[in-house]
Amino acid sequence: DIQMTQSPSSLSASVGDRVTITCRASQSISTYLNWYQQQPGKAPKILISASSSLKSGVPSRFSGSGSGTEFTLTISSLQPEDFATYFCQQSYSTPLTFGGGTKVGIK
Amino acid sequence: QVQLQESGPGLVKPSQTLSLTCSVSGGSFSSGDYYCSWIRQPPGKGLEWIGFIHHSGSTYYNPALKSRLTISVDTSKNQFSLKLTSVTAADTAVYYCARDYGIVMAPGGMDVWGQGTTVTVSS
Repeated sequence: DIQMTQSPSSLSASVGDRVTITCRASQSISTYLNWYQQQPGKAPKILISASSSLKSGVPSRFSGSGSGTEFTLTISSLQPEDFATYFCQQSYSTPLTFGGGTKVGIK
Repeated sequence: QVQLQESGPGLVKPSQTLSLTCSVSGGSFSSGDYYCSWIRQPPGKGLEWIGFIHHSGSTYYNPALKSRLTISVDTSKNQFSLKLTSVTAADTAVYYCARDYGIVMAPGGMDVWGQGTTVTVSS
C-alpha cells in the first residue's frame, strides 16, 4: 500500500495568512494526487485533482503543486470559510489511500 | 447534476452484516467511465477507502476488508450496494459513497459525494 503522510497535522492561522500543507507519498505516484476540504459534519469536497488542476467553482486562492512523492496545497490568503480539515489522496494505485488530514484552525 | 444518497440501518449488532445502498440521481455512472467508491470515517478520525465498483461490475477492494466485503451494482435501479460481514465496534463510522474516476485516470479523484450515513455497531 502507498502511505500518504501529511504535515502538519494541525495549524493555527489568521484570516489573510498564506497557508501551506505538505503531503508525501511512500513511493512515486506521478501527479495522481487529489486534495479535499472537509467542514465539520460534512462530506469531503474535492478542491484539486491531478496535483494542480483546480476543480470548477473552487476559489483561485487554492493551488496545488508537486509530482513524484512530494506535494503541496497552498491557500494564498486564508478566508473565514477555509477553516476546515484538508486531506490528500493518491489515485495512482489501489488501495486508494488518504493522508491523515491537516486541521486548519483560527489563531 | 449527479447526486448521491446513502441509506441503511444506523445501528448494527456485533457479528452481523452491515448493508448500505448508494442511490444515484440526476444522471448515471454508465454515461461516463466512473466508479462508485465507498469510504468511511470513524468518529474523530481520518478517511479510509473501502473499495470501488465500475458500472460494468468490476470491483476493487481494500485488502484490509476484502474477506468481509461485497460491493455490487444494480444498473436498473441506478444503485450501488455495500455489504460488510462480521462487524465489530471498529466498523463504527460515517460511511460515504462517492463518484470516482478510478486510478491513473484524468482528471482523477472523487468529485461527487453523498452526505454520509452514520453506522454504529453495538449490542
